[in-house]
Amino acid sequence: DTAVSQTPKYLVTQMGNDKSIKCEQNLGHDTMYWYKQDSKKFLKIMFSYNNKELIINETVPNRFSPKSPDKAHLNLHINSLELGDSAVYFCASSTTRGGRETQYFGPGTRLLVL
Amino acid sequence: AQSVAQPEDQVNVAEGNPLTVKCTYSVSGNPYLFWYVQYPNRGLQFLLKYITGDNLVKGSYGFEAEFNKSQTSFHLKKPSALVSDSALYFCAVRPFNTDKLIFGTGTRLQVFP
Repeated sequence: DTAVSQTPKYLVTQMGNDKSIKCEQNLGHDTMYWYKQDSKKFLKIMFSYNNKELIINETVPNRFSPKSPDKAHLNLHINSLELGDSAVYFCASSTTRGGRETQYFGPGTRLLVL
Repeated sequence: AQSVAQPEDQVNVAEGNPLTVKCTYSVSGNPYLFWYVQYPNRGLQFLLKYITGDNLVKGSYGFEAEFNKSQTSFHLKKPSALVSDSALYFCAVRPFNTDKLIFGTGTRLQVFP
């Protein structure tokens, strides 16, 4: 009955590879997000989607491409991985129904680029 | 620029003592304020939020936070700390005109037995 789930939990890959991280929420929310947590634990938003439409796109390299096939899923594809992409990536979801609501986070995907 | 500051990298407290984790913010308009907790190798768990109304909000695990508009602060408190409260705590603000959360740099809480 996990609310926000991410796969994989850990990802170790070589520089230059392309990888994807998947996120699913079963909360019935209409907005989903990707956040990046760096090695110093600093958290910063990357993207948000509302009803499959891109709402927020922070200054993220275009090697990162989010895709939302439906309201319950938001995947993150990363091309040509670089060492600096090593981080923990968190997916989150919320609903805009009834006003500003809380964002609920997934367990994170720990990406290590070698 | 909109920002959140957590001035203490680490807070140490003895079990049973009260704890405070500080947070100040700088945003335009009326902010929505949140506290999250992160246990080692885990995701962020929502603790509490302030949207409007009573300045003292109560959350999970006995935590509470006080919104102070004049001091632009939203400090997290607990009357009696537990060893199991040891974790990384994040304050976050959501400006009124956006859905994104702006996080502070986190404060590591260490509760000693």
